[in-house]
Amino acid sequence: AQSVTQLGSHVSVSEGALVLLRCNYSSSVPPYLFWYVQYPNQGLQLLLKYTSAATLVKGINGFEAEFKKSETSFHLTKPSAHMSDAAEYFCAVSDRTGGFKTIFGAGTRLFVKA
Amino acid sequence: DAGVIQSPRHEVTEMGQEVTLRCKPISGHDYLFWYRQTMMRGLELLIYFNNNVPIDDSGMPEDRFSAKMPNASFSTLKIQPSEPRDSAVYFCASSSTSLYSYEQYFGPGTRLTVT
Repeated sequence: AQSVTQLGSHVSVSEGALVLLRCNYSSSVPPYLFWYVQYPNQGLQLLLKYTSAATLVKGINGFEAEFKKSETSFHLTKPSAHMSDAAEYFCAVSDRTGGFKTIFGAGTRLFVKA
Repeated sequence: DAGVIQSPRHEVTEMGQEVTLRCKPISGHDYLFWYRQTMMRGLELLIYFNNNVPIDDSGMPEDRFSAKMPNASFSTLKIQPSEPRDSAVYFCASSSTSLYSYEQYFGPGTRLTVT
């Protein structure tokens, strides 16, 4: 069975500081991994995805994530936080053999201080 | 591309009333998902369809909930009778086999309040 664990329900950083949101997954088969972002009163939108090509994945708005099989991790980073990055971020995993069913993590709310 | 369209955006109803939420997926997408989001339980998958056929409804909380997809461009989620604990934001999402990597496109959600 697949699962996703996001470490920290809330993360607070200063504007210009490094953003690091942690995600660990469990999957019995090679997974597809995703980060989605949700702004207030909106649906989720895809930030980036890992599909077994390069292990370092670049997404929109300067975010990137690295797939580390040995650590079963897919942490999300951004070198310099911007006020507009304040949102909730969800890590998700899909089992390629199980069709399109996707398991979402509990989410991490990012606060950016001026 | 208009994206996934959901209606209504907000719904306030009284306990015991029937509620119908609507979704139009992105044209050409063959997967459709219904999710519920609450503070307590996070994002929960309720049911998903492939080519208009329900594939997995194990997340539907109880018999009061039902979902249909009569054609490729329309789906409904119905709650009858509604209860205060059904208050949540309900999202519809769609995806396509041709995407290969299974990413989903979400609608803006319907915020349901049951009083």
